[in-house]
Amino acid sequence: DIQMTQSPSSLSASVEDRVSITCRASQSISSYLNWYQQKPGKAPKLLIYGVSSLQSGVPSRFSGSGSGTDFTLTISSLQPEDFATYYCQQTYSAPWTFGQGTKVEIK
Amino acid sequence: EVHLLESGGGLVEPGGSLRLSCAASGFTFSSYAMTWVRQAPGKGLEWVSEISGSGGATSYADSVKGRFTISRDNSRNTLYLQMNSLRAEDAALYYCAKCGVYCNRNWFDPWGQGTLVTVSS
Repeated sequence: DIQMTQSPSSLSASVEDRVSITCRASQSISSYLNWYQQKPGKAPKLLIYGVSSLQSGVPSRFSGSGSGTDFTLTISSLQPEDFATYYCQQTYSAPWTFGQGTKVEIK
Repeated sequence: EVHLLESGGGLVEPGGSLRLSCAASGFTFSSYAMTWVRQAPGKGLEWVSEISGSGGATSYADSVKGRFTISRDNSRNTLYLQMNSLRAEDAALYYCAKCGVYCNRNWFDPWGQGTLVTVSS
């Protein structure tokens, strides 16, 4: 199975901060990397698919980059509604696996 | 608008069975693969199973293989997960989600709100 490792596991940041979350795959997954946002008590929501394609309706302050094994989710200017847990996911090779999550908290 | 609504969760004893349902609307159900993902309390996301649009192809996580069965009724726009021989470690919030034509090399969107499975004596 492909292991997905996110870092950090949690972070504290202030509104308008620039925040980056990294995701590393245990082997190359080409560009089959997705990012989800999950708020407490809610279902995960797709933010970015295929490394860098923004899902419809997602604010442009979210962006994704990377290839192969190393990927990054960046929030250019953190907003109050962005405090949540973020998960990366690979769909290159079954079983589809997720990172352990990164919780973004208010400083 | 695409909408997914899970049901069927509840409290079951270890070794028991439960069938989850996911009612879909807002898209041509039979044209898309569907998947189940679970989340244990306070934990991360774990993919469980997927099924092709026709229902002819299925796959499972090793942790549930041989105990869970995914199926779908395209005439009722409904996805199912039959869970047998339930264990304490199966306790989780179970989400259904829509894939693309395949889940392979695609993404899960949208997700339902989840249905809670508790396994306890």
